[in-house]
Amino acid sequence: GAVVSQHPSWVICKSGTSVKIECRSLDFQATTMFWYRQFPKQSLMLMATSNEGSKATYEQGVEKDKFLINHASLTLSTLTVTSAHPEDSSFYICSASAGSSYNEQFFGPGTRLTVL
Amino acid sequence: GENVEQHPSTLSVQEGDSAVIKCTYSDSASNYFPWYKQELGKRPQLIIDIRSNVGEKKDQRIAVTLNKTAKHFSLHITETQPEDSAVYFCAASGGGYSGAGSYQLTFGKGTKLSVIP
Repeated sequence: GAVVSQHPSWVICKSGTSVKIECRSLDFQATTMFWYRQFPKQSLMLMATSNEGSKATYEQGVEKDKFLINHASLTLSTLTVTSAHPEDSSFYICSASAGSSYNEQFFGPGTRLTVL
Repeated sequence: GENVEQHPSTLSVQEGDSAVIKCTYSDSASNYFPWYKQELGKRPQLIIDIRSNVGEKKDQRIAVTLNKTAKHFSLHITETQPEDSAVYFCAASGGGYSGAGSYQLTFGKGTKLSVIP
């Protein structure tokens, strides 16, 4: 149980275009989804937190107009990188939580974004 | 907010030896401490976790200890094998409420473990 999928697994796009990444909880209802970014040889950095039906909460330094997050259902959250630039190239990972007192997050397989 | 420090950043051990990775945290409200193993290009994989009402937890070759007073926790891997080679992250949760019953995870910077055959 507790499977989280992400799509696409990798994407290459041109500078200035937008890219949408989907995160799905396949076998449980995710009341909260988290989006992380991981640069090479670095740790996971939280970008934003989204609760179903609410606006996402962004971490300091993350532009909300550039990284659009939608969490319209208990099983799907999307991250759209708008007007992508080469510095946005990174490994984007989502996680989902069922909101139990256990605090455990279940991670998706990640999306490798390369902006040319 | 929470701050998690992890040491060492790299660790090389001979196959069969033990490996220890240490983390400290700053927020006394944190109550959940997972450890993740991440292989290159893959998702973090939960290998063991501990809650603040427990001082030690063991799962076969892996153990975690928690000293809540000193705010530090450690990962111990015994009888290391080449397949244990990966990057290991500690994390702390419970201090940053995210809404809907969920809490943020704050990660350490990671330890690259190399097990030499």
